[in-house]
Amino acid sequence: EVQLVESGGGLVQPGGSLRLSCAASGFTFSDHYMDWVRQAPGKGLEWVGHIRNKANSYTTDYAASVRGRFTISRDDSKNSLFLQMNSLKTEDTAVYFCTRETTGFDCWGQGTLVTVSS
Amino acid sequence: SYVLTQPPSVSVAPGKTARITCGGNNIGSKSVHWYQQKPGQAPVLVMYYDSDRPSGIPERFSGSNSGNTATLTITRVEARDEADYYCQVWDISSAHWVFGGGTKLTVL
Repeated sequence: EVQLVESGGGLVQPGGSLRLSCAASGFTFSDHYMDWVRQAPGKGLEWVGHIRNKANSYTTDYAASVRGRFTISRDDSKNSLFLQMNSLKTEDTAVYFCTRETTGFDCWGQGTLVTVSS
Repeated sequence: SYVLTQPPSVSVAPGKTARITCGGNNIGSKSVHWYQQKPGQAPVLVMYYDSDRPSGIPERFSGSNSGNTATLTITRVEARDEADYYCQVWDISSAHWVFGGGTKLTVL
């Protein structure tokens, strides 16, 4: 069974940092591009960014709203995806989903809540 | 940056047909994906490459894309179809995935 499980969410003060993880299982993780998508409370989906696979040099793209503050990385040996979030703002408060990118985003984790508040 | 426009809400009676639109500049030249999201759950891919259904998605779901509008059509709507629906495209010029604002489908 294809599965993605996020962890690492929580409460953080503005200006702080947090690192999210996503554990993948049930498929060949290293073959796939992987993405992070977030959803603020009561709002729609917002793409955060993605990391390509080794064949595409692990290159990344980011939404303008997070570029320079967030970094996506992966460890193919551990089937894991990461999102390092620095200089957090109150508007970064959201549920963060890890997704697999194939024909669209065909597999999603259950999400982890990040709350940025003083 | 590329913008996708969806109606905030669509209402339909059970058994009828729901059409959810997604507008974008020359969206017909792009591949559109659609997601269904129920409250408290992760989104689910219900249509990819405009009109292909993932396994497990009922045949009642279909998609089309031409000109400036992509459409997700749900025939013989059931109560379980009530959800938020999002369209998505890859904007090659900005190297960004873009989501529409979402449409809340209400089954009357």
